[in-house]
Amino acid sequence: GENVEQHPSTLSVQEGDSAVIKCTYSDSASNYFPWYKQELGKGPQLIIDIRSNVGEKKDQRIAVTLNKTAKHFSLHITETQPEDSAVYFCAASRGTYKYIFGTGTRLKVLA
Amino acid sequence: DTAVSQTPKYLVTQMGNDKSIKCEQNLGHDTMYWYKQDSKKFLKIMFSYNNKELIINETVPNRFSPKSPDKAHLNLHINSLELGDSAVYFCASESQGVGTEAFFGQGTRLTVV
Repeated sequence: GENVEQHPSTLSVQEGDSAVIKCTYSDSASNYFPWYKQELGKGPQLIIDIRSNVGEKKDQRIAVTLNKTAKHFSLHITETQPEDSAVYFCAASRGTYKYIFGTGTRLKVLA
Repeated sequence: DTAVSQTPKYLVTQMGNDKSIKCEQNLGHDTMYWYKQDSKKFLKIMFSYNNKELIINETVPNRFSPKSPDKAHLNLHINSLELGDSAVYFCASESQGVGTEAFFGQGTRLTVV
């Protein structure tokens, strides 16, 4: 069935260092890959997304890369700040009214 | 001005009771969702609606009955609540369900005792 694996489940980095979260999806028809950030007591919020016809996308300190052949995509956060601490979810969609979410990564940025 | 609003934010109830969660979006979106987040933070789709019509029912027990009176509202009614229903329930909306940004509500934390 459709599945998205996400690693690591927890990640601690020093402030200013980079953080990388990786996801692998199973449905080769997936064509949209968003990343969501969930802060404590709030709903997930989109931080960046990528479509299957693009290999990389960057928005300030955040970047996402996609390898369609390997069915991998990754989130890269550079120059991490304490406010980056949250749970991050990757997701995959084939555009049929359904997102399959990864299992989440709890990121802690240590000051 | 909240884009996707859910009520209530917290709900504590006894086993066997019936409860409802309401959701409204003011984004003009056609597609709305219910997701369940368990204690391990796993987010799993329950239902998706497009223009008031049910599109996906992801093997959810029929004790859960969604209702969409119009495309701006998607409510969730749960009958005969069980301990295992305790979770955070998120409503979300998307422009057309074809793979664009989904906007989530703040969640409803349901605790069944």
